[in-house]
Amino acid sequence: GNSVTQMEGPVTLSEEAFLTINCTYTATGYPSLFWYVQYPGEGLQLLLKATKADDKGSNKGFEATYRKETTSFHLEKGSVQVSDSAVYFCALRGTNTGNQFYFGTGTSLTVIP
Amino acid sequence: EAGVTQFPSHSVIEKGQTVTLRCDPISGHDNLYWYRRVMGKEIKFLLHFVKESKQDESGMPNNRFLAERTGGTYSTLKVQPAELEDSGVYFCASSPGTARAYEQYFGPGTRLTVT
Repeated sequence: GNSVTQMEGPVTLSEEAFLTINCTYTATGYPSLFWYVQYPGEGLQLLLKATKADDKGSNKGFEATYRKETTSFHLEKGSVQVSDSAVYFCALRGTNTGNQFYFGTGTSLTVIP
Repeated sequence: EAGVTQFPSHSVIEKGQTVTLRCDPISGHDNLYWYRRVMGKEIKFLLHFVKESKQDESGMPNNRFLAERTGGTYSTLKVQPAELEDSGVYFCASSPGTARAYEQYFGPGTRLTVT
């Protein structure tokens, strides 16, 4: 079946530090992969996506590359800001499972000045 | 364009009581989804509406949960009677037609606490 395993948090970084949040997945076929972010008091927002192997999704300085050989979609940012403090969710949409998304457990990130 | 809205933002009820959550999707979105995050675990799919029809309800945990989407606009999720393990955050999402169904837009969630 489909599942997502995400790096456990919480993660605390100093401003301008490098961020990596690991995400690996299990799926049949060729899923689409996503990172969602939830800022305090808000809903989940799509941060970036990749729909096929070797695609790189990017947005707001964040990047993630769809690696089929390692079944991974790690989120990275070169220099985090205080405003990046949020909960980050890795998710996949399977090829034969309708439109439902499969999410990881979420990783809470706190960036301190 | 208004986003997905959910009401209430927080509900505290006693075990055995009934609670109804409401979701208003983005106008024009045919697809509406309910998800749940329990105790800091992963967000899990509950069900999917296409307009007023239930397309997929494979994630509904048991028959204490009833979802409706009358007229294909807003949706309600009723829990009756509520149990302690129903506590969590209930998210609603909506998406446009089939070609862009992966673009799911989420609401802020309703935090349900059953005591």
